[in-house]
Amino acid sequence: DQQVKQNSPSLSVQEGRISILNCDYTNSMFDYFLWYKKYPAEGPTFLISISSIKDKNEDGRFTVFLNKSAKHLSLHIVPSQPGDSAVYFCAASVSNYQLIWGAGTKLIIKP
Amino acid sequence: SAVISQKPSRDICQRGTSLTIQCQVDSQVTMMFWYRQQPGQSLTLIATANQGSEATYESGFVIDKFPISRPNLTFSTLTVSNMSPEDSSIYLCSVIPSENYNEQFFGPGTRLTVL
Repeated sequence: DQQVKQNSPSLSVQEGRISILNCDYTNSMFDYFLWYKKYPAEGPTFLISISSIKDKNEDGRFTVFLNKSAKHLSLHIVPSQPGDSAVYFCAASVSNYQLIWGAGTKLIIKP
Repeated sequence: SAVISQKPSRDICQRGTSLTIQCQVDSQVTMMFWYRQQPGQSLTLIATANQGSEATYESGFVIDKFPISRPNLTFSTLTVSNMSPEDSSIYLCSVIPSENYNEQFFGPGTRLTVL
């Protein structure tokens, strides 16, 4: 039973446009959500997070939106740059270190 | 933050053999973990490596198959024992710096292929 789902295995976006990556979850007890970015042959690196008491968190070009009623979060990247091409993982936790991970979405930024 | 290195970066092994993966951190960390990422799948936590005591394994993972050592606060090993092709995965070490409980830092991973 996948508690965290990323339904799009891949996404292709034109450079300069907005990239929107989506994540759905089933466990209403999740109270912290994170996005990680992974390049080939490297481990995932932390990108941005959001607590369940918020509905938006922004860091430069990256914004995460949380819709608790829909159990949905999204990562917006504006504007998209070639270096953003990577696999993006959504993860969630319940007040502890144990992260439950989505399967990842491969983002391809086209020049 | 923490800088994490893993050895080997990749290996190709024969069925029935064992491989030990090393994880080295550039600073002392309390919490260290081992993950597996099977092809096309999400990351799955194998166990928490506890310093000076036995590792804590997640459901579906056992010590006989994945023995873990944690001799100090900067180093851990994961052994994949009696390997089968189903063990072909990327194995990742991660740590939580004590100052930020909700952010984990990952090593580059070890890509294991079992023939």
